[in-house]
Amino acid sequence: DADVTQTPRNRITKTGKRIMLECSQTKGHDRMYWYRQDPGLGLQLIYYSFDVKDINKGEISDGYSVSRQAQAKFSLSLESAIPNQTALYFCATSDPASGQNTEAFFGQGTRLTVV
Amino acid sequence: GQQLNQSPQSMFIQEGEDVSMNCTSSSIFNTWLWYKQEPGEGPVLLIALYKAGELTSNGRLTAQFGITRKDSFLNISASIPSDVGIYFCAGQGGSTLGRLYFGRGTQLTVWP
Repeated sequence: DADVTQTPRNRITKTGKRIMLECSQTKGHDRMYWYRQDPGLGLQLIYYSFDVKDINKGEISDGYSVSRQAQAKFSLSLESAIPNQTALYFCATSDPASGQNTEAFFGQGTRLTVV
Repeated sequence: GQQLNQSPQSMFIQEGEDVSMNCTSSSIFNTWLWYKQEPGEGPVLLIALYKAGELTSNGRLTAQFGITRKDSFLNISASIPSDVGIYFCAGQGGSTLGRLYFGRGTQLTVWP
């Protein structure tokens, strides 16, 4: 089983719909992240959370919201999806206690298409 | 945000050739990481570098943390078809509390 699991893996939704992408991890890490990947643009940080009570905006948070329901769960929501949010979304975790807290471990991604 | 320039954007090479790619930043980083992403998968960590000048190997892969702390290099020796994928550099600076900044990736294609 994957250490970082994202659901769904693929989703097609209509413009204006609300959609939630979920992420769960079994690594026991405190830090969780949501990234967006577009072809040729690398990975852009949407939101990150350093513990259950901590939520921070990344570079491209507009149009997105997150919820850290537990240490192991971090969900990303698009309140009203628009076509330019079509992208590949990745959840990641890292562990500050390891002394190498910048090493991020990624899920397999969710491919979202907004039509 | 911090800018990372990764080059080349893509490479088409023959099996057995060596590969070099690099990443430069506009500011000093404390950590450099190199990831590989295969189609349909998330990025997987290849090498982590924590000290300026550090040279670290992982099989046929070798990466270096530049002494200026503003650049890093990844070399792949004797490439094989399974090396195909997108390689990303990522860096973290002292003030960014664990946040990583990513380069745009190098798409590697290896011809048999």
